[in-house]
Amino acid sequence: DVKVTQSSRYLVKRTGEKVFLECVQDMDHENMFWYRQDPGLGLRLIYFSYDVKMKEKGDIPEGYSVSREKKERFSLILESASTNQTSMYLCASTYWGGVNTEAFFGQGTRLTVV
Amino acid sequence: KNEVEQSPQNLTAQEGEFITINCSYSVGISALHWLQQHPGGGIVSLFMLSSGKKKHGRLIATINIQEKHSSLHITASHPRDSAVYICAVNGQGGSEKLVFGKGTKLTVNP
Repeated sequence: DVKVTQSSRYLVKRTGEKVFLECVQDMDHENMFWYRQDPGLGLRLIYFSYDVKMKEKGDIPEGYSVSREKKERFSLILESASTNQTSMYLCASTYWGGVNTEAFFGQGTRLTVV
Repeated sequence: KNEVEQSPQNLTAQEGEFITINCSYSVGISALHWLQQHPGGGIVSLFMLSSGKKKHGRLIATINIQEKHSSLHITASHPRDSAVYICAVNGQGGSEKLVFGKGTKLTVNP
């Protein structure tokens, strides 16, 4: 059973804290993605990675960074959490050349910054 | 204007009804995805299609490339179909990034 696993379902952090969201996939996928999902805005791409140590900015990278040291793990980092980063965060992965392949999503992390 | 538009935004149906959710897109695409998100957040891929029609159980997805339009149909709807249904597209030229619609929230009442 293929899986994309996010480290936490729910997180509550304080303003200014450094926050790590972890995502692990067991499908040997090259591509991994971080999205945030907000009411009325849908899913928006924060960052994606197409290989180890490679990353590209998505549509809303400000306030975030990422790390991909191993193929199976893609981390999203909030250097100094702010209340406007309260959101649902979703990780996804696909094969390289994944235009015609399915996207697999994690279960989501609901982050609240207080 | 969003590149991917879904309608309706919200849909309430009675159990057993036939349901249609629509997706229109304004860009050239290589593939279109229908995704399902249940309360609690996890997203599951239902279909990926680039032409024609696909069927899985009570779910049917169609796409018309010329008209840049896709529909997701649910036959004999059931309360367990209640979820948010999201349309997403891969851009042409091998883009691996997905562009998402804002979703359609479906509620099926018993």
